[in-house]
Amino acid sequence: NAGVTQTPKFQVLKTGQSMTLQCAQDMNHNSMYWYRQDPGMGLRLIYYSASEGTTDKGEVPNGYNVSRLNKREFSLRLESAAPSQTSVYFCASSEYAGGGYTFGSGTRLTVV
Amino acid sequence: GESVGLHLPTLSVQEGDNSIINCAYSNSASDYFIWYKQESGKGPQFIIDIRSNMDKRQGQRVTVLLNKTVKHLSLQIAATQPGDSAVYFCAEFTYGGATNKLIFGTGTLLAVQP
Repeated sequence: NAGVTQTPKFQVLKTGQSMTLQCAQDMNHNSMYWYRQDPGMGLRLIYYSASEGTTDKGEVPNGYNVSRLNKREFSLRLESAAPSQTSVYFCASSEYAGGGYTFGSGTRLTVV
Repeated sequence: GESVGLHLPTLSVQEGDNSIINCAYSNSASDYFIWYKQESGKGPQFIIDIRSNMDKRQGQRVTVLLNKTVKHLSLQIAATQPGDSAVYFCAEFTYGGATNKLIFGTGTLLAVQP
């Protein structure tokens, strides 16, 4: 059972570079989320998609964009990476907004 | 603003003992609460949840207690095992139409001593 798959698992970027983090789920879930996790802090919501075709900002959306490509896939894009975006990024999905979340294994991003 | 916090950042227990992890929340309108376990290098894993109209819920070796009067949530793990060593997060969820969101606490590290 794949669940939620994130790629890549690790990435190092230089300041100003761009990249897209990929996320796919195979559970036919309607809602998908992107979180970041910093040392000593809980997970903070960046963006979410309550259903296919919709996206909304979370707590910390600045510097990010998202695309809900289809029901399975939800990508997170950093247009111009900054050191403050060094973090571990988690994608999650749920059957409906507020349902139990299933998380991916994370992408560890370092911006130098 | 809304916040979910934990009283103890680190909890060390002996194998076989019971563990109690505490969490305080500030939003009295939260609809339900969830406990997650996160092992090193992995994403959070759902453990148990509880609706705001309940005060206790039991799972396999785990019990969650909710005290809405003092806005306190706890996770009890019976007969703690080495495999229980992880960071535990409480999270609160509030329905709000387009603003549904899950807010996480900062986490408690549970260290099980053999």
